[in-house]
Amino acid sequence: EVQLVESGGGLVNPGGSLRLSCAASGFTFSGYSMNWVRQAPGKGLEWVSSIGGRGTSIYYADSVKGRFTISRDNAKNSLYLQMNSLKAEDTAVYYCAREVEEGFDSWGQGTLVTVSS
Amino acid sequence: QSVLTQPPSASGTPGQRVTISCSGSSSNIGSNYVFWYQRLPGAAPKLLIHRNNQRPSGVPDRFSGSKSGTSASLAISGLRSEDEADYYCAAWDDSLSGRIFGGGTKLTVL
Repeated sequence: EVQLVESGGGLVNPGGSLRLSCAASGFTFSGYSMNWVRQAPGKGLEWVSSIGGRGTSIYYADSVKGRFTISRDNAKNSLYLQMNSLKAEDTAVYYCAREVEEGFDSWGQGTLVTVSS
Repeated sequence: QSVLTQPPSASGTPGQRVTISCSGSSSNIGSNYVFWYQRLPGAAPKLLIHRNNQRPSGVPDRFSGSKSGTSASLAISGLRSEDEADYYCAAWDDSLSGRIFGGGTKLTVL
């Protein structure tokens, strides 16, 4: 069974940093592109970033480009999102999602990031 | 404001057929696949339709997707109370070099 478990969320001051992790199990992690998607309170889904199976082919949404960095460790079956210079508008539940044929077929339960002083 | 435009709400009675639209442009829907996701209350999103009109295994055939030009639609037939959820369309955008979601449509089963 595919499982994705996010962690690392919490309360952080504006301008601060946070690193999210996503632990994957139940599939050959290195064989899949992975993504981060977020949902702010009362808002819709917003794609954040994606990374290819080998750690190449990296893309970011314009809203996070230059501030967030996606990475993965295939030996540890883990996906990461380093978030710097956080803003109030980054407050959201962050989901990691596995990509299959360009669709996101498996999602974690999410981790909440709150940016507030 | 989302690049992909969906109606904020839709509704129907049990057994009815409802359609949710998703309007985009030549850089996204017009040249790439469309995906649909269902977000039940309190649950993670679920892939409902991939590559315009393909259903992943386990998705009932009551759900169908279509695409024409720069627009796409999700149709739900034989509406059930458990279909009450938020529905999102998504596509890759060549101009943005990234994925985009529609703003979401809240479906209410009356």
